[in-house]
This record gives sequence, C-alpha cells and structure tokens, in this order.
Amino acid sequence: NAGVTQTPKFQVLKTGQSMTLQCAQDMNHEYMSWYRQDPGMGLRLIHYSVGAGITDQGEVPNGYNVSRSTTEDFPLRLLSAAPSQTSVYFCASSYVSGSSYNSPLHFGNGTRLTVT
Amino acid sequence: AQTVTQSQPEMSVQEAETVTLSCTYDTSESDYYLFWYKQPPSRQMILVIRQEAYKQQNATENRFSVNFQKAAKSFSLKISDSQLGDAAMYFCAVGGSNYKLTFGKGTLLTVNP
Repeated sequence: NAGVTQTPKFQVLKTGQSMTLQCAQDMNHEYMSWYRQDPGMGLRLIHYSVGAGITDQGEVPNGYNVSRSTTEDFPLRLLSAAPSQTSVYFCASSYVSGSSYNSPLHFGNGTRLTVT
Repeated sequence: AQTVTQSQPEMSVQEAETVTLSCTYDTSESDYYLFWYKQPPSRQMILVIRQEAYKQQNATENRFSVNFQKAAKSFSLKISDSQLGDAAMYFCAVGGSNYKLTFGKGTLLTVNP
C-alpha cells in the first residue's frame, strides 16, 4: 500500500519557470490538500479538494493552480515560479466523514522546492 | 477563521521525564476536531493523537495524552517517559466544517540523554 506519493522529492527552478508537483493516493480518499511549510510558519493550506471536480482555496492560494480530475490525483501547478515560493510542499489526503473535518491526514513525504 | 497558537517555539526534556507542549486555538465552529502531529528529522508528518471537541474525556495514546480545556480553548500534549525517538517538531491543528485544517507554527522538542 503506497499511501500518498509525491514527486519529485527535490526541484530547483529559475524565476518565471513553471512546473507541476504531482500527488497521488491509493486509499480512495475523497479529501486531498496541498500545504507549504516554511521555517517558523508551520504548515499553511494552499488548495484543497473534497472530491473529483471540486477544488477550493486555502490560506495562501496565490501563484498556484490545482485540478482534481480523478479521485487519486491532485497536482499542484506553479505557473510562474517566484523566489517566495521556495518551500517544502506537502500533499495530504483523508476520508470525508459527516460535515466536519475529523479524519486524520495522511501525508506524502514532501517536495523541497528552491526557486532561484 | 481558525487560528492555532503554539507559544513554545522550543522545548527540551530529559529522557524518561515528562514534558507538556502548549496549544491554544480559536474557532467559531461548535463541532470541530483537534490534532497533534509529529515531524521527525525525516520530514514525515505523523499523527500523534486526535480529540473530538464534543467529548469531555481527554484522548490518550500510550505515552501521549492531552489536556483538553474546551472553555479555555486549550489543547496541550503531555509526553510521559520521554524517549530519544520523541525528538521532533510537534504541530497542533484544528479542523471544522469548512474542511480546512489549520496548523500552529510548531514546537521543536529536544530529548536529552
């Protein structure tokens, strides 16, 4: 059981370049999300999805796009990378149960992105 | 909006002793859930413990327990018999009906042999 798989593990981009961070889960989770982790800032929610075809913005969505065409995949796109997007990115998934967020998140191993 | 405050950026404990990590939160939700996650140097995020806000009984998981004070909006984590493997960054988080899980900034725990 692979869980949540993120690729790549490391990436270096130049300012203005675009790229897609991949995230896939094999647990049939409805909920998927992207966080960024910066020193002293904890984890901040970028975008999330509660099912295929449904996405919504989190706390820091600017500069990022997402789509959810399948239950399994939730890619994060950086359209024009900026040095402020240098961070560690985590994808996470969970079940959706009831009307409240109550299921523990399953995290991928993270992607360390550097934008020069 | 939800907010989570971890007032201790760093803590240290001697091996085999007990340490408590603080967390306070704010939410307008009446139905919400609280979590503690651990992030060791490997960077992997690991669930430590979960608490349902509607339950008065404090959650426990082996050496880990919480002190949940709903009126004070406090959710501290107690680690008993600390082990070297407990050294990690610990994050408190709150989730509610908007499906947004909000994390605190973390507390770095050092365990001294």
